[in-house]
Amino acid sequence: NAGVTQTPKFQVLKTGQSMTLQCAQDMNHEYMSWYRQDPGMGLRLIHYSVGAGITDQGEVPNGYNVSRSTTEDFPLRLLSAAPSQTSVYFCASSSFGGVGTQYFGPGTRLTVL
Amino acid sequence: EDQVTQSPEALRLQEGESSSLNCSYTVSGLRGLFWYRQDPGKGPEFLFTLYSAGEEKEKERLKATLTKKESFLHITAPKPEDSATYLCAVQAPLSTGNQFYFGTGTSLTVIP
Repeated sequence: NAGVTQTPKFQVLKTGQSMTLQCAQDMNHEYMSWYRQDPGMGLRLIHYSVGAGITDQGEVPNGYNVSRSTTEDFPLRLLSAAPSQTSVYFCASSSFGGVGTQYFGPGTRLTVL
Repeated sequence: EDQVTQSPEALRLQEGESSSLNCSYTVSGLRGLFWYRQDPGKGPEFLFTLYSAGEEKEKERLKATLTKKESFLHITAPKPEDSATYLCAVQAPLSTGNQFYFGTGTSLTVIP
């Protein structure tokens, strides 16, 4: 049972470059979300989706785009990376329309130079 | 305004020395309170969900309780393998956008 998977595990970008962080889940969960984790800040919600074709902004959405074309996948796009986006990114999913427990992926550590 | 505050930030215990971690929250209309364990370099691992004041959940040496303003994670006779960061999260009402708010965690070290 794979659960929530994320790729890549590590990434280094230069300022202005773009990239996509991949997230997939095999639990048929409706709700998926992206968080960033910074020292002393806790996990902060970037974007979330309550089902295929539906996305919404979280607490810190600026500089990030998402789309949800399938139930399984929820990629996070950085269009023009900035040093402030250096962080660890976690994807999570849950059933019951987001009311239930969230299960997290292993994370992607991103460094923007 | 902080929605979730965890204390202490760090806690060192001797093996077998019981203690409690605190999570206080200010969200109105709480839809759920969650406890996670996070090991270095890994994603948070689910421990408990609590939905209403007075509710308690147990798992091995851990017991989570909930009141109207805070939750406690009690650790009884901890072992070194319980060393980790423990995160608390609350889920706000749907009217606020279905947000989850996380605390900054308590880093627990259990010394043999």
